[in-house]
Formats: sequence, C-alpha cells, structure tokens
Amino acid sequence: RKEVEQDPGPFNVPEGATVAFNCTYSNSASQSFFWYRQDCRKEPKLLMSVYSSGNEDGRFTAQLNRASQYISLLIRDSKLSDSATYLCAESYSGGGADGLTFGKGTHLIIQP
Amino acid sequence: DTAVSQTPKYLVTQMGNDKSIKCEQNLGHDTMYWYKQDSKKFLKIMFSYNNKELIINETVPNRFSPKSPDKAHLNLHINSLELGDSAVYFCASSQDRFGANYGYTFGSGTRLTVV
Repeated sequence: RKEVEQDPGPFNVPEGATVAFNCTYSNSASQSFFWYRQDCRKEPKLLMSVYSSGNEDGRFTAQLNRASQYISLLIRDSKLSDSATYLCAESYSGGGADGLTFGKGTHLIIQP
Repeated sequence: DTAVSQTPKYLVTQMGNDKSIKCEQNLGHDTMYWYKQDSKKFLKIMFSYNNKELIINETVPNRFSPKSPDKAHLNLHINSLELGDSAVYFCASSQDRFGANYGYTFGSGTRLTVV
C-alpha cells in the first residue's frame, strides 16, 4: 500500500489569516482524493473531495496537482472553529472497497 | 438518527481476553470498513466488506476476525487481546465499492484499552 505524507504541524495561525497545507502521495495511479477533518476524540468527517480542476466550498479551496503528486487545502479567513486535524486521503484504484489511504494528519490551531 | 453506529464506545479489558465491537449503518451503503487509529493518530485500514463479501484484508493478525451478517452490519471480533491492540477502532461505510468518489461516513469510534 502506497504512502500519503503530510506535515504533522502544529500550524499555529492567528484568527483571520489564510493557511494552506499540502499532502503528497506516492502512487501515480491514485484516482480519488479527499480532505477530512478530525476533531479531538471524534471521528473523521469529510470536508471536501478534491477534483482535478480544483474546487471551492466557502472559505475552503482544494487543489490537485497530478504532475507533482500532491493535493492542497487552503483555508481563508480562518476561524477559531477551524482548529482541528486535517487528514488527506487517496484511493489508488478509485474503487471504494479498496479503501482510502490516509495521511497522518496536519494539526491546525487557530489563535485568537 | 445515527448513520453509522458502533458499540461499545469504550472498552477496557485485560490482556488475553476476547472481545467484539459491533457496527451498523442505516445509510443503505453497500461497503463497510474497519479502520484502526493508533496513539500516534495514524488511521489505517484493516478490513473492507462489499455486500457481505470480504474485499480487503490488510496485514492484520489473524486474532482479528470481521463478520458481516448482512450489508448493514460489520462486526469485529478480537481474540487474545494484547497491549498493542489498544487504539481507537472506527467503522465506516461508503455508498458502493466505487463510493470513494463520495467519501466515507465514519462511526464515532470504539476506544479500546487493553490492560
């Protein structure tokens, strides 16, 4: 099973700032990519899927760079409630039953 | 109504015991999974079932045995528990075996502590 790498952080960011983190994947055959958010002692929750053309959902923008094999997440106008661990995930076959491979997560702390 | 529910939420048990964790989803999904998140927060897949059929069986000790009586349920039985089995176990489901396109829905986790 291939690797997914993330900077574990923590990223300490003042409220209102823009923060971005990347996630690299090693399998060029990977087809589906996601960002999940995990709060302390809670389950991961899907934040957004990552499409080849890039996609935006409110303050969140996800990008995929297949040539360099990384995905990114940009958070604009960060809020205290954005503090969490952000997990990237990829599916190397595009098939759900083959399972998602997760990175170890990037810990984000938004400071007042 | 909880979409993916796991029981128990907490499980403290002694080494050598046998225990089970149950998972049920009411989303009508075809595919279910077990993931293990260790103390370093690394989330790793253990098993995957599609319509009651075992699809993925990662390198997991054979003390761990999943069972899917129907597509809405996936249980995990662990024999001869060891200290290293202490972790949070998450059940998840996806719409179908290509449901990665829509992401997974996770249960709230079972925190297993082996003493």
